[in-house]
Amino acid sequence: KNQVEQSPQSLIILEGKNCTLQCNYTVSPFSNLRWYKQDTGRGPVSLTIMTFSENTKSNGRYTATLDADTKQSSLHITASQLSDSASYICVVQNSNSGYALNFGKGTSLLVTP
Amino acid sequence: GAGVSQTPSNKVTEKGKYVELRCDPISGHTALYWYRQSLGQGPEFLIYFQGTGAADDSGLPNDRFFAVRPEGSVSTLKIQRTERGDSAVYLCASSLMGTGSPGANVLTFGAGSRLTVL
Repeated sequence: KNQVEQSPQSLIILEGKNCTLQCNYTVSPFSNLRWYKQDTGRGPVSLTIMTFSENTKSNGRYTATLDADTKQSSLHITASQLSDSASYICVVQNSNSGYALNFGKGTSLLVTP
Repeated sequence: GAGVSQTPSNKVTEKGKYVELRCDPISGHTALYWYRQSLGQGPEFLIYFQGTGAADDSGLPNDRFFAVRPEGSVSTLKIQRTERGDSAVYLCASSLMGTGSPGANVLTFGAGSRLTVL
């Protein structure tokens, strides 16, 4: 069973609207959680990285939250743009692993005019 | 270079052939990773290099897969006797360090090499 589960699997929203993507994880012990954006045909690009002590981090119109107690994270996109259409991948690192990352399958977001 | 460069961007080959995929990481990054990504899935770990050595190759699916990084910079992923199931996007990533603080191992990914085995 994947240790990082994302929902929804896919999402379609109108340009200008907000949306929230969810990530639940079972990775333990926890080190950090990352959100990546992956455009079609491109490699993933880092949006945010949060450690245990951080519960929110913003990067422009992207705001990530982390609840380490419930092992949940969300990525909120404000005032969506067509260029936000991409796959958003949640990645969790185990503090024992040193380098190994656990990837979710991603949420595919489509922003339409 | 400014980013992680992967070549070729696309490779179509026939079943049973040998394939090499190249990764040129960010200059100065000691850690290099190979991942494989199938359609609709997240990246799947293959191998991790710290410098010239493969610190963890537990993700390589079988002995047809091999990777090298002889000078601690460019890496080559080698696939022998390719099978249709090998078709995927092969992603390379590098980070300043493989371990330590999260900020030291933020991965920068290349655009990937799309392999299609007919």
